[in-house]
Amino acid sequence: QSALTQPASVSGSPGQSITISCTGTTSDFGSYNSVTWYQQHPGKAPKVVIYGVYSRPSGVSNRFSGSKSGTSATLGITGLQTGDEADYYCGTWDSSLTVYIFGTGTKVTVL
Amino acid sequence: QLHLVQSGAELRKPGASVKVSCKASEDTFTTYHVHWVRQAPGQGLEWMGIITPSSGITTYPERFRGRVTMTGDTSTSTVYMELHNLRSGDTAIYYCAREFNGDFWFDPWGQGTLVTVSS
Repeated sequence: QSALTQPASVSGSPGQSITISCTGTTSDFGSYNSVTWYQQHPGKAPKVVIYGVYSRPSGVSNRFSGSKSGTSATLGITGLQTGDEADYYCGTWDSSLTVYIFGTGTKVTVL
Repeated sequence: QLHLVQSGAELRKPGASVKVSCKASEDTFTTYHVHWVRQAPGQGLEWMGIITPSSGITTYPERFRGRVTMTGDTSTSTVYMELHNLRSGDTAIYYCAREFNGDFWFDPWGQGTLVTVSS
């Protein structure tokens, strides 16, 4: 069981846009549109900002968006705000190993 | 709205076991898949397994097989995660989370339980 690969850190100024990549294998992303993005503020439990590759749960800002191409998924954040400063993890179900895999995590810093 | 409340922090010695509970605010909780995830200090998220409380069916990743046991009590809408033969590397915050709609995303999460393994 290996983790999905994410950049360790991404930064941007308030109002700017950033993207976070999440790279896996064919079996990780396979035929399931099950990529989820979690936001975690220090000392808090993770919270879903994107599920099913593209969808936002109720209450999540439309500044968050998701996409997938081949064996990579991407989280986009537009109009960066100080409250977006957090750790972000991708996650998906590996259909061949029947395990859930998280990404290595990306620390987003708002400059 | 479903809420998950976990048991309090635990301190254990190496070699011991710990059992963490996760109680739901709704009876329908036990019909869902429930996942356990842990996070060591300063580290990322690690998936520990899944249980469907209504059936008792579990799936554990290979690295925890034989050392973790997940169970459920439908009468109290509570699931449990027991980790055996603890070592210092098991020091972490342990979270339970409901799988939403069977779509492989987790919401809500419990507040987390800190388990410290130290002699």
